[in-house]
Amino acid sequence: QLQLQESGPGLVKPSETLSLTCTVSGDSVSSSSYSWGWIRQPPGKGLEWIGNIYSSGSTYYNASLKSRVTISVDTSKSQFSLNLSSVTAADTAVYYCARPRGKPSLFDFWGQGILVTVSS
Amino acid sequence: DIVMTQSPDSLAVSLGERATINCKSSQSVLYSSNNKSYLAWYQQKPGQPPKLLIYWASTRESGVPDRFSGSGSGTDFTLTISSLHTEDVAVYYCQQYYSTPVTFGQGTRLEIK
Repeated sequence: QLQLQESGPGLVKPSETLSLTCTVSGDSVSSSSYSWGWIRQPPGKGLEWIGNIYSSGSTYYNASLKSRVTISVDTSKSQFSLNLSSVTAADTAVYYCARPRGKPSLFDFWGQGILVTVSS
Repeated sequence: DIVMTQSPDSLAVSLGERATINCKSSQSVLYSSNNKSYLAWYQQKPGQPPKLLIYWASTRESGVPDRFSGSGSGTDFTLTISSLHTEDVAVYYCQQYYSTPVTFGQGTRLEIK
């Protein structure tokens, strides 16, 4: 049974970097054809795709965030990570890690999400 | 970017009655080579992540009750719950995965009347 669990700071200061990790269990984060992704949801609002990473080494990011986003995989820890730099209050959201299906992708399995607040 | 617009924003339906949610894309999400519309529906209950219900506009994900159905093609889509159950109270989102960035509708809140 696949499980995805987000972790990281719940509070980040403006202009700093938001760093989150998703721990994968029940599946291999580095299987021959893996794909993993991040989506966020500001409080009381809709869903915004952030980006995906694929076993080919390719990453795909939302152009609206591309200059600030990095997604990477740490196979030794069965984790994948999100870094979002130069955050502002507009980056306050629940961040979900998820398993993409296809390319472009829908998302067939989601973590429970983690609320990250950007505030001084 | 493809803009996804759902209607209505909120909906109240009596238990056992039909609920219908609409989703319109700003451009076609139908891929002519395979005749598939790249449209998915999700259900999000309070405090939970979204759950995939429907993909290819009309294919139910494994384990999803058959009272949920999707229809439509091209730019206009519908999610129908044939007989509303208490546990169906949620926000429903459509999503296009035809092109990057994938985009979601603003959500439709479904409540019991």
